[in-house]
Amino acid sequence: GEDVEQSLFLSVREGDSSVINCTYTDSSSTYLYWYKQEPGAGLQLLTYIFSNMDMKQDQRLTVLLNKKDKHLSLRIADTQTGDSAIYFCSTDSWGKFQFGAGTQVVVTP
Amino acid sequence: EAGVAQSPRYKIIEKRQSVAFWCNPISGHATLYWYQQILGQGPKLLIQFQNNGVVDDSQLPKDRFSAERLKGVDSTLKIQPAKLEDSAVYLCASTWGASANEQFFGPGTRLTVL
Repeated sequence: GEDVEQSLFLSVREGDSSVINCTYTDSSSTYLYWYKQEPGAGLQLLTYIFSNMDMKQDQRLTVLLNKKDKHLSLRIADTQTGDSAIYFCSTDSWGKFQFGAGTQVVVTP
Repeated sequence: EAGVAQSPRYKIIEKRQSVAFWCNPISGHATLYWYQQILGQGPKLLIQFQNNGVVDDSQLPKDRFSAERLKGVDSTLKIQPAKLEDSAVYLCASTWGASANEQFFGPGTRLTVL
């Protein structure tokens, strides 16, 4: 299977919370990242978590890491229409980055 | 601070033609990456440079792809000859060092091979 796996699509209503999930295989990952990609643009780093942490909160974003299950999630609170984009999970093993296929998030009014 | 610059933004060529992409990373960033992003997929690493040396080119199809970073600053990626399956967005990214934890991405070059 793929080294980093994500569900492909998520539809969420404006104001609700979004949760995007990711599983990975590389247990030597030192950092794990969430990137956002809007149409026609490159990837923009949203947040990251160090591998010895299990949670990180940054304004509307909460990252949860279950290192035992190699599972990473991103929760976006109070989802807005501007949050519609593709979200990529990425692992980092000493400067070698691997990306999932991305989760397209569509926010409906 | 200026971001990662890439050009051209779009390129359309016919199969068997050649094409080159250019990337200028953020000033002072020692590590530069080229990724290929096929529609519906995540970025796949093609090559990683540390200054002007190659760190990882294990996934670069060397029979047709080449890349250089002669002065350790900007970089070019070339495809010769192009195939239909090379249609993708080519992303350049840079970081301070080999184990730095934030990659800065350029806007990408969208290549269409007809």
